[in-house]
Amino acid sequence: AQSVTQPDIHITVSEGASLELRCNYSYGATPYLFWYVQSPGQGLQLLLKYFSGDTLVQGIKGFEAEFKRSQSSFNLRKPSVHWSDAAEYFCAVVKAGANNLFFGTGTRLTVIP
Amino acid sequence: KAGVTQTPRYLIKTRGQQVTLSCSPISGHRSVSWYQQTPGQGLQFLFEYFSETQRNKGNFPGRFSGRQFSNSRSEMNVSTLELGDSALYLCASTRGGGQMGEQYFGPGTRLTVT
Repeated sequence: AQSVTQPDIHITVSEGASLELRCNYSYGATPYLFWYVQSPGQGLQLLLKYFSGDTLVQGIKGFEAEFKRSQSSFNLRKPSVHWSDAAEYFCAVVKAGANNLFFGTGTRLTVIP
Repeated sequence: KAGVTQTPRYLIKTRGQQVTLSCSPISGHRSVSWYQQTPGQGLQFLFEYFSETQRNKGNFPGRFSGRQFSNSRSEMNVSTLELGDSALYLCASTRGGGQMGEQYFGPGTRLTVT
C-alpha cells in the first residue's frame, strides 16, 4: 500500500532563509508525486509534480523538489523564503491506474521577520 | 479560465440531518474527486467520478455518496450526519481519461455538525 510521510509537523524559518520540507513515500512502483500548498481557509494549490524524467523539478513561486528513488524521498526546497510562503504544505502520491491522491499529514510553515 | 467552484462555502447542520454539497469543475475537465480534510485524519479521499460513473472509492461508510451529471458537475451527499463529519470538504477536477493529470482544487465547503 502506498503511504506518504512528512516528518516535520511544524517548521519556523526566518524570511530570506532557505527552506527544505521533507517527504518520504512508500510505493511499489514509480510514483507520481506532488506538492501542494494550502493557505488558511483555502483549497489546495499545486506547487509542482513529478511523473518521470528529470529528477529535479521546478514549480511555481520559486519552489523546486528533487526525486530520489534510493531514499524514497521527494523533498521540497526554496532558496529564499518570503513571508507570503507561510502556509501548510502537503506532499502527495497517486496510486497507479487511479486518480486519487494519498496525502501526507502536512507541514505547517511559519515565517518570522 | 474559471477555477473549480464549490457551493456552499459554509454550512451548519444538526446531527441526524443530511447535506448535499456541490462542485463545478474547470471547463473541459471530466473527472471530479472529493476529499475530506479534518485535523485528526488529515486529507482523505472519498470518491472519484468520471463521465457520470464512480470510478474509485475511498474507505468511507455508505452514508457518503456522490454523483456526477452530464455536464461534469458533481454533488456529494452525507446522510444521517454525525459530529465527526465536521470537516472541510474539497473537490478537485482533472481532465480525466486514462492518464493521470494535475488535480485542481476548489476552495472547499466547511461543514459544521452540531
